[in-house]
Amino acid sequence: GAGVSQSPRYKVAKRGQDVALRCDPISGHVSLFWYQQALGQGPEFLTYFQNEAQLDKSGLPSDRFFAERPEGSVSTLKIQRTQQEDSAVYLCASSRTGGEEPQHFGDGTRLSIL
Amino acid sequence: AQKVTQAQTEISVVEKEDVTLDCVYETRDTTYYLFWYKQPPSGELVFLIRRNSFDEQNEISGRYSWNFQKSTSSFNFTITASQVVDSAVYFCALTASYNTDKLIFGTGTRLQVFP
Repeated sequence: GAGVSQSPRYKVAKRGQDVALRCDPISGHVSLFWYQQALGQGPEFLTYFQNEAQLDKSGLPSDRFFAERPEGSVSTLKIQRTQQEDSAVYLCASSRTGGEEPQHFGDGTRLSIL
Repeated sequence: AQKVTQAQTEISVVEKEDVTLDCVYETRDTTYYLFWYKQPPSGELVFLIRRNSFDEQNEISGRYSWNFQKSTSSFNFTITASQVVDSAVYFCALTASYNTDKLIFGTGTRLQVFP
């Protein structure tokens, strides 16, 4: 597609459930990023892939968060045993080569944990 | 450490007014890149501009202009003759260091333009 596509757009889960968020980057983009955006805040970095390699996962808040990009295209962010503090908008971005190349963002997935 | 500060939480103007959004950054890197993004109510972050640390030339794109000053570590954004469609949250962001590409965002400035 023309832009970064994320699904679902909205996700409601009960505390303790596992969730999976999908990101389909712009075709041909090598780099893929996940960010978490709390209400009224700027996005905060979670993790970064170059092709299928996860080069930086320093922003993942706990071992309940896991991301993969097995074929270097679509990526999934999984959160296990969700907690209320996981409620946020999860943004995915891709860029052509990484580095100084602009990152192009999807619409995000708004996750609400009840 | 790297940090971006947007001290203005919210700005309200009337259409056709000029408005400047402030951005101050901190980094120890000599090579870095600064960005501005717009986030309308729909939620998608829209890329507006990138500037590298070696290019201090100001830039103008239509009603938008950017003023980069290394001496004050600032990268301010001005909208001339604002319009209602400019209403959004604007984020300034920084990426630096040769071994990581992550963006460090400020907390954003919410701009409301009233007719």
